[in-house]
Formats: sequence, C-alpha cells, structure tokens
Amino acid sequence: QVQLQESGPGLVKPSETLSLTCTVSGGSISGYYWSWIRQPPGKGLEWIGYIYYSGTTDYNPSLKSRVTISIDTSKNQLSLRLSSVTAADTAVFYCVRHDLQKRAFDYWGQGTLVTVSS
Amino acid sequence: QSALTQPASVSGSPEQSITISCTGTSSDVGSYNVVSWYQQHPGRAPKVLIYEVTKRPSGVSNRFSGSKSGNTASLTISGLQAEDEADYYCCSYAGSGTYVFGTGTEVTVL
Repeated sequence: QVQLQESGPGLVKPSETLSLTCTVSGGSISGYYWSWIRQPPGKGLEWIGYIYYSGTTDYNPSLKSRVTISIDTSKNQLSLRLSSVTAADTAVFYCVRHDLQKRAFDYWGQGTLVTVSS
Repeated sequence: QSALTQPASVSGSPEQSITISCTGTSSDVGSYNVVSWYQQHPGRAPKVLIYEVTKRPSGVSNRFSGSKSGNTASLTISGLQAEDEADYYCCSYAGSGTYVFGTGTEVTVL
C-alpha cells in the first residue's frame, strides 16, 4: 500500500519561502506523476502542480512564478518550495500521487498545515 | 484558470438520490473526458470516487455515478446514507498539463 508523508515547518514568516518534503513508501516513485495540492482552512482544494519521476513539471498558472517542485528518486522523495508567501498561502498541503492511466489523484498524504504569520 | 462551479450545499433524506453539478468551460470540462470526483470527510484527506467522468475505482460503492453533458459534469449519489455526509469536489484537466478543482459541495443527510 502506497503511503505518502508530508513534513516541514508548520509556521513560515511572510515574504519567506515555504519548503515541504513528501516521503513515498510502499511503492516506487517511478512511473507516476506526484502532485502538491493545498486547501486553505475551511476552503476548497487547489492544485499547485506536479512532477513526473523523470523531473518534468507542470504548475498552476496562478502560482507558477512562485513554485518549484523537485524530486529525488534515490530517496523516494519530492519537495515543494513556494516563495514570497503571504497569509493567503496558509493552508493544509497535501502530497498526492497522480495515476497516469486513471488521470486522477489516487493516493493522498494526511496533509500538513502551514501557517504564514509573523 | 478559474475554479469549476459547484453548488455550496446539497441535502437529501436517507435512501434518496442527489446530484451535484460541476460547471466549467469549453477549455476544461467541455474539452476533456478527464473529470474526477473526490469525497472529503472532516479532518481527512480526499478520496477519489470517480475518474474519467464515469469510472469507479475498485472498492468504491456503485451508489456513486458520474456523467457529463457539455461543460457540466455531475455526480449522483443513490440510496443516500449517513456516511455520505461529507464535502465533494470535482476536478478537470484544463489543458497544458494543468488541473482545476471545483469549489466544493457540502452534502447533508437529513
């Protein structure tokens, strides 16, 4: 059973860079797209972007200038960096596997809350 | 890329059927048969219910079904049960490798 675990600071100051890591266990990181999806408290889901195991990326156009997603296949990990954060970036961040054949997000991490505040 | 439009809330009595709509544009829902639906209980991660408009992953109840007409996709829950009380989100491929989610619908079982 594939498991995803997000980790990183729960508090980030405004204007700084948010950094999260996702560790994938119970399966290979190869052959899939891996996404980051966020959800502000009490609000809906927003797709941030994804990375193929080969390193190819696609990002949400509204966040593209501030987002970098990277992958380390040797560690079965992917990472998210979101720069110049504001309070509007406060959210639960989910690491999610995207199944290429189903073209759906099939395995989700438990999510990690990141609060942007001074 | 704007969020797909869903009704904020839908309610129904046990055993009834309800339908949640998901309205997009000709650039997303209308152009691709790549619509998926997710169920999210409070404090939990979402779970996929439907993919590619009508298909159910293994293990998902056949009480959940999906359809699409033009720029609007729909999720129908038949035989509504108390455990179906949750938030539901649609998601569509929007071209150029990007995805967009719906605004979300809260389902209440009366």
